[in-house]
Amino acid sequence: EAGVAQSPRYKIIEKRQSVAFWCNPISGHATLYWYQQILGQGPKLLIQFQNNGVVDDSQLPKDRFSAERLKGVDSTLKIQPAKLEDSAVYLCASSQGSNQPQHFGDGTRLSIL
Amino acid sequence: AQSVTQPDIHITVSEGASLELRCNYSYGATPYLFWYVQSPGQGLQLLLKYFSGDTLVQGIKGFEAEFKRSQSSFNLRKPSVHWSDAAEYFCAVGAGNNDMRFGAGTRLTVKP
Repeated sequence: EAGVAQSPRYKIIEKRQSVAFWCNPISGHATLYWYQQILGQGPKLLIQFQNNGVVDDSQLPKDRFSAERLKGVDSTLKIQPAKLEDSAVYLCASSQGSNQPQHFGDGTRLSIL
Repeated sequence: AQSVTQPDIHITVSEGASLELRCNYSYGATPYLFWYVQSPGQGLQLLLKYFSGDTLVQGIKGFEAEFKRSQSSFNLRKPSVHWSDAAEYFCAVGAGNNDMRFGAGTRLTVKP
């Protein structure tokens, strides 16, 4: 089966600019996750979708981050405006359901200048 | 909320030697436990998982882990390490609502 697809792989922007990331989960996976992984740390959950509804966005900085999952398949994560501390790898993952193993994409490495 | 501690930031072992990576968790109920591996520039790959049943879990690439409730631990082991095992290893704990928390990771270096 095809894995989780993410694009772009790399992105460099200046602070205060906006950026968007795209994720296509494994076909049939109802649950989709966005994680932020800062260098030297484990992934931190930003938002979790079940189909096209938000299950958990408690750690999403909502003043600048937004995410959507229209039609319950693909998802986009946006940052506007970006700050220096947003430099990280943004990982998308999907799973078949609650407490099932998560399958990860290769991530988008974001650098803020 | 649940939490995970990986006490070792970096471990170096010789190729062919045995490996044990430590993981301690904090959670009030029976947790769902996972080990993932991450190679540079890539996402996380699931090595193994524990949901219930036999406390010794076998995974891919020759890895195994043992769930010890009394010690709140889920240590990862491999009897003989290969150079290709060099990577970052993450332990994760999931709660009933699928809220998964990751440890900070242990970087494994393999000496020839």
